[in-house]
Amino acid sequence: DTGVSQDPRHKITKRGQNVTFRCDPISEHNRLYWYRQTLGQGPEFLTYFQNEAQLEKSRLLSDRFSAERPKGSFSTLEIQRTEQGDSAMYLCASSSEQGATLYEQYFGPGTRLTVT
Amino acid sequence: GQNIDQPTEMTATEGAIVQINCTYQTSGFNGLFWYQQHAGEAPTFLSYNVLDGLEEKGRFSSFLSRSKGYSYLLLKELQMKDSASYLCAVRSGYALNFGKGTSLLVTP
Repeated sequence: DTGVSQDPRHKITKRGQNVTFRCDPISEHNRLYWYRQTLGQGPEFLTYFQNEAQLEKSRLLSDRFSAERPKGSFSTLEIQRTEQGDSAMYLCASSSEQGATLYEQYFGPGTRLTVT
Repeated sequence: GQNIDQPTEMTATEGAIVQINCTYQTSGFNGLFWYQQHAGEAPTFLSYNVLDGLEEKGRFSSFLSRSKGYSYLLLKELQMKDSASYLCAVRSGYALNFGKGTSLLVTP
């Protein structure tokens, strides 16, 4: 396993459509995070999973945003009824709960969403 | 609330030393991270401080003063490939709360 992977890398959609992004974390990592990054800004935390449990979701941007991690492995982030303001890079990160890299979050390459 | 400040842009010369400062006011603190991000790429981990003092890792060092809410990242022997955005992040609970990043340009 070489790192966190995300699919697709780019997504162009029309306003009002639903989109779903997938994240595959590093295989031994049980913690998974979603962030959003807009141009000129740092990543903004959205939600966090420990195994299959979503332990923090209050910072999801609106009720149009939802995330799942059904078997504690890969995760999906869905945005319903997309708006132009949703255009951003969506980053996934994972971390281990033990070892020397306990607190280090490893980021995937991101999915760039463009809403037209 | 979370308030993390760092300079927007810096320029330095190849071979020189540059210090990027970060000040923070956050509702919780579980450690401070520095990440490097090249344009269009994912952030990559550089350093982590949870106790006061200096952590050194090769050409990169990071300092933390919790009482002052202050950190800096020191880059030595700058190389052209160090041109990137440097992100300061405070871990609070589960989340990393990032500053806006400092765009560093290394010139010949």
